[in-house]
Amino acid sequence: SYELTQPPSVSVSPGQTARITCSGDAFPNQYAYWYQQKSGQAPVVVIYKDSARPSGIPERFSGSRSGTTVTLTISGVQAEDEADYYCQSPDSSDTYWVFGGGTKLTVL
Amino acid sequence: QVQLVQSGVEVKKPGASVKVSCKASGYPFISYGINWVRQAPGQGLEWMGWISNYNGNTKYAQKFQGRVTMTTDTSTSTAYMELRSLRSDDTAVYYCAREGEGMDVWGQGTTVTISS
Repeated sequence: SYELTQPPSVSVSPGQTARITCSGDAFPNQYAYWYQQKSGQAPVVVIYKDSARPSGIPERFSGSRSGTTVTLTISGVQAEDEADYYCQSPDSSDTYWVFGGGTKLTVL
Repeated sequence: QVQLVQSGVEVKKPGASVKVSCKASGYPFISYGINWVRQAPGQGLEWMGWISNYNGNTKYAQKFQGRVTMTTDTSTSTAYMELRSLRSDDTAVYYCAREGEGMDVWGQGTTVTISS
């Protein structure tokens, strides 16, 4: 079955840039989506279709793609950005959705 | 405002079934499908399936095929997810999520606990 691979954890100091990667074979042909989940809350989409930002999401959140890897970049990280982040994409045949295993972002 | 409101906490015995509801408001219900996603304690997000609120078409994750049924009632703008033959590893928070630009609106989650 199709899998998306994320690092389990990323740590940065406030004001630095955090980069969270996600690898998947379908990415050259499928969009990536990113979700932020704070403790005890439902997920929130922060990036859709690789790099689009929903209204209300701060500009410090951005997305990019290179080959089979997509990256969520958070510039000028703030304490409130501490959360779990999940990438998501459809499988190559658009049959089902897949989530990555999640990355815990710690703001030191 | 646009929102999804889910039914409350469920406690079930192994082998039983559970049916979770997800009531939509603030947008045209039939214009968007609904996904169901679950999250076991301390674990990541797991996609279970999707239903079109327009025509009732469904897609289920292979893992849940034969054990899950997703339905929709357009008269009340409510989607339902029924999971049968419950096991202890079905203990999780179950979310419904609207399929817009990604999963752009989420319910608050329904905690389902399986315990004998």
